[in-house]
Amino acid sequence: DAKTTQPNSMESNEEEPVHLPCNHSTISGTDYIHWYRQLPSQGPEYVIHGLTSNVNNRMASLAIAEDRKSSTLILHRATLRDAAVYYCILHFGNEKLTFGTGTRLTIIP
Amino acid sequence: AAGVIQSPRHLIKEKRETATLKCYPIPRHDTVYWYQQGPGQDPQFLISFYEKMQSDKGSIPDRFSAQQFSDYHSELNMSSLELGDSALYFCASSERQGGNIQYFGAGTRLSVL
Repeated sequence: DAKTTQPNSMESNEEEPVHLPCNHSTISGTDYIHWYRQLPSQGPEYVIHGLTSNVNNRMASLAIAEDRKSSTLILHRATLRDAAVYYCILHFGNEKLTFGTGTRLTIIP
Repeated sequence: AAGVIQSPRHLIKEKRETATLKCYPIPRHDTVYWYQQGPGQDPQFLISFYEKMQSDKGSIPDRFSAQQFSDYHSELNMSSLELGDSALYFCASSERQGGNIQYFGAGTRLSVL
């Protein structure tokens, strides 16, 4: 499985934008870049995914580098409810999700 | 909108007992996945089913078995429970034609004493 690398932890102030980076230098041409998050005591939750172009949805934006070897999840205005572990996962088809260590995001009030 | 339903939410068992965890996927979803998350760990894939057939298998102990039924619900059967089986067990479902986004249930917390 192609691997991803994320910082172990990040902090951000409430109501400010958050940029969560992910490196995936061995990504294959068919891999989609998926982001999931896991809030405390809950199951993982889908956030966003993309292949080549930047993507936006109601939760976040995903910026994908032109060479696809890295991507950034952008939370435009972090709230306390965004405190979670964020996982960047390379995914193809209906394969299993392979969770790495993720980034633990702490939001400072 | 309907979500993935898991039951029970909590389960306490003794060593060497058996446990059955149930998962009801989102209607019209054709694929079910099971994941195990130990204390302080990240979720690890156990097994998946597509259209009631096993489609992939991860690090699932031989003591565990699972199946998907005709109504698409799935059950994870665990026998000869060990202390190390204490974990959160998540079920997820997806629709093959729906971008393969996996939707997770709230999980079953299994405690083996």
